[in-house]
Amino acid sequence: GENVEQHPSTLSVQEGDSAVIKCTYSDSASNYFPWYKQELGKRPQLIIDIRSNVGEKKDQRIAVTLNKTAKHFSLHITETQPEDSAVYFCAASIYRGYQKVTFGTGTKLQVIP
Amino acid sequence: EAQVTQNPRYLITVTGKKLTVTCSQNMNHEYMSWYRQDPGLGLRQIYYSMNVEVTDKGDVPEGYKVSRKEKRNFPLILESPSPNQTSLYFCASRPQGAGEQYFGPGTRLTVT
Repeated sequence: GENVEQHPSTLSVQEGDSAVIKCTYSDSASNYFPWYKQELGKRPQLIIDIRSNVGEKKDQRIAVTLNKTAKHFSLHITETQPEDSAVYFCAASIYRGYQKVTFGTGTKLQVIP
Repeated sequence: EAQVTQNPRYLITVTGKKLTVTCSQNMNHEYMSWYRQDPGLGLRQIYYSMNVEVTDKGDVPEGYKVSRKEKRNFPLILESPSPNQTSLYFCASRPQGAGEQYFGPGTRLTVT
């Protein structure tokens, strides 16, 4: 089955700096890679996603890159703000296919004002 | 308001006492899933359903049952809960044609 590894497990950055979180996956059949943000005590919420036919996707300060050959994808947050502090999860699944989804173990991001 | 609801939100129970956590969505989504979240382990999929009467095991199905008799409901059943099932549980749904999952508010279960 699919295995998703996520690094680092914790990340502290100064406000205004960039943050990068990396994930690797094992199943070459996976073609959909979402990123979820979970604030303390809240439910996970999708912040950005990418499909395997795209190498990069951007949404304001957030971007995701995908390297299918190396089977890794990364989340980039620029100009970090204190409200970016949360736990971030990557995941891998098959878009439009059956619903099996494998999540990474999470990265706790702390943005220091 | 489009949403996924779970009940109860908090539950403390004893080993062996059968319980059900309900999940309901009002968005007419085909796909529904249950996850458990444990510190350091992220979210792990327990069971998922692709439509009414169609369910399959996720990565950690042992000790759990599910059913999907109606499109909107996907209850999680613990026939004989054990302390290692103490966790935070999330239900999620998504439509057939899209990738984003919508999560419920979570159910914090403690088994003593």
